[in-house]
Amino acid sequence: QVQLQESGPGLVNPSQTLSLTCTVSGGSINSGSYYWTWIRQPAGRGLEWIGRVYTSGSTSGSTNYNPSIQSRVTISVDTSKNQFSLNLSSVTAADTAVYYCARRIVDPSLPAFGAMDVWGRGTTVTVSS
Amino acid sequence: EIVLTQSPATLSLSPGERATLSCGASHSISSTYLAWYQHKPGLAPRLLIYDASRRAAGIPDRFSGSGSGTDFTLTISGLEPEDSAVYFCQQYGTSLLTFGGGTKVEIK
Repeated sequence: QVQLQESGPGLVNPSQTLSLTCTVSGGSINSGSYYWTWIRQPAGRGLEWIGRVYTSGSTSGSTNYNPSIQSRVTISVDTSKNQFSLNLSSVTAADTAVYYCARRIVDPSLPAFGAMDVWGRGTTVTVSS
Repeated sequence: EIVLTQSPATLSLSPGERATLSCGASHSISSTYLAWYQHKPGLAPRLLIYDASRRAAGIPDRFSGSGSGTDFTLTISGLEPEDSAVYFCQQYGTSLLTFGGGTKVEIK
């Protein structure tokens, strides 16, 4: 059974870069059937899709980001560690949120194609000096 | 961007009752690419329904989804105490995924 676990600093200074890692256990990140995704939820607000990375053979590392923050976001993958990461630069208090990683099914032969079937529990990141 | 609006914000019901949760979209969602999730504090969100009406693996049949276009519903028939949670909808019909604000279901 695949599980995802977010990790990283809980406190980041304003204007610095927020860096989080999602470790995938119980399955390979390189299966080619999933988008590995980051989502966040500021306190009292709804969920916001940040972006995703895809890896499979020759298309390893292809990304897509939310236009609202794409100038500050980088999502990358380390298949040797079965991890994918989020870097968000020039953070402000508005980036304070619970950050989740999730797996989105992109293989149309699998059930629940298109939906996110596995999530991490989330990690809280506060931007403050 | 497709904006999803969920109502009500909070639903307080007794065990055994039926819960009806709504999710409205600002634009029609193609191919009924809408999912529902259950989220309990401290736990990972759990996929309940995909393609608007298909139950995910292992989900009890008291959870059902319906709708198309811009109006979608999650129904929980025969509420159990463990159904206390926040439920949110999400559309995946466009490359920019979006989520509803959530409905909190409280069990009296």
